[in-house]
Amino acid sequence: DAMVIQNPRYQVTQFGKPVTLSCSQTLNHNVMYWYQQKSSQAPKLLFHYYDKDFNNEADTPDNFQSRRPNTSFCFLDIRSPGLGDAAMYLCATSRDFPSDPQHFGDGTRLSIL
Amino acid sequence: QQQVKQSPQSLIVQKGGISIINCAYENTAFDYFPWYQQFPGKGPALLIAIRPDVSEKKEGRFTISFNKSAKQFSLHIMDSQPGDSATYFCAVDFGNEKLTFGTGTRLTIIP
Repeated sequence: DAMVIQNPRYQVTQFGKPVTLSCSQTLNHNVMYWYQQKSSQAPKLLFHYYDKDFNNEADTPDNFQSRRPNTSFCFLDIRSPGLGDAAMYLCATSRDFPSDPQHFGDGTRLSIL
Repeated sequence: QQQVKQSPQSLIVQKGGISIINCAYENTAFDYFPWYQQFPGKGPALLIAIRPDVSEKKEGRFTISFNKSAKQFSLHIMDSQPGDSATYFCAVDFGNEKLTFGTGTRLTIIP
């Protein structure tokens, strides 16, 4: 029944060790978003895809990359995680740009040792 | 600068009372003003949204009031229940292909 699925739910990695988070959707939506959410804060948009067109937010660190190999899947790669990257990472989809509802997954909680 | 100011930061309401959360934005917004509800350990979920051609939208116990000239909109939760305890985010579409979220309100409904 889940429409936006994020794996894993919890991820622990070591400082500087690359990590990949995954997101899949069954909604066939054009747009996929990655957000970072820290405790008691609003979600912060990192980047989004409209189909295969990639849009990076100006303040997203170079350390964060993304891939969207097909409509259903999107990945977030953190090349060299620092302690400040510990957060909840949320994937969302929408049929079109923001005037359509965004459907969020339940997130991946990333911890850095 | 495109900002969304949300208040209060936290709110405690008695069961059966009315919860009111306010948002204000700067500059020109596009045409979509959603509210999201987030429970601990879950992603945000769309609760209710309004477009600026109407001043109010009601869905069950949830109502959005919108004042375009004042650039303000608010969420009213009538007959608040313990199950409404969550964090609420307003958001604004400024026409730049993304939503700008407010800072969030942690709502607690007490018996």
